[in-house]
Amino acid sequence: EAQVTQNPRYLITVTGKKLTVTCSQNMNHEYMSWYRQDPGLGLRQIYYSMNVEVTDKGDVPEGYKVSRKEKRNFPLILESPSPNQTSLYFCASSSGSYNQPQHFGDGTRLSIL
Amino acid sequence: ELKVEQNPLFLSMQEGKNYTIYCNYSTTSDRLYWYRQDPGKSLESLFVLLSNGAVKQEGRLMASLDTKARLSTLHITAAVHDLSATYFCAVDTHYGGSQGNLIFGKGTKLSVKP
Repeated sequence: EAQVTQNPRYLITVTGKKLTVTCSQNMNHEYMSWYRQDPGLGLRQIYYSMNVEVTDKGDVPEGYKVSRKEKRNFPLILESPSPNQTSLYFCASSSGSYNQPQHFGDGTRLSIL
Repeated sequence: ELKVEQNPLFLSMQEGKNYTIYCNYSTTSDRLYWYRQDPGKSLESLFVLLSNGAVKQEGRLMASLDTKARLSTLHITAAVHDLSATYFCAVDTHYGGSQGNLIFGKGTKLSVKP
């Protein structure tokens, strides 16, 4: 089954403790992206990647890191999480062609205390 | 900087009625996407609109794109309760064949009541 898998689905942690949210897709997609969703603000793109070793900033990249060493994986790293990064995070992938929609993972709810 | 505005942000409809959700964007783009999100769930693609005058229909939903007016509409015909969800439009800032930085509207929360 074609899917985008995020882990963990839920995480409660404390300020300053490094964490990684993994994202993996099995569709051989070239394009992958991370978003955060906050009430009243909709979805905002954090980083995106058009291919292996190619990443670019979205609208809200501060405080986040990403890497794309393999086509299928696109982890999101919070080196020193802060409470303002408490949010619902979505990973998405697509073939990269503009005429194709993005496929979204189920989301990761992060709470930073 | 590209801005995407949806209105209304909240919409309460009665079953059987028609309504339209509007999506305006501030700079030129040649591609626009509509997504649906059910409460507590992920996003699901509804439509991909790629050219001026594009119109796509799926069931009771019809989406259109006017690139000159920088406006897309999502029209709901004879609403049913199953359409209750949040609807997002999204615009890509890139040109050419590849996707890039996607800007989402804040979403329209639709509630269809009997």
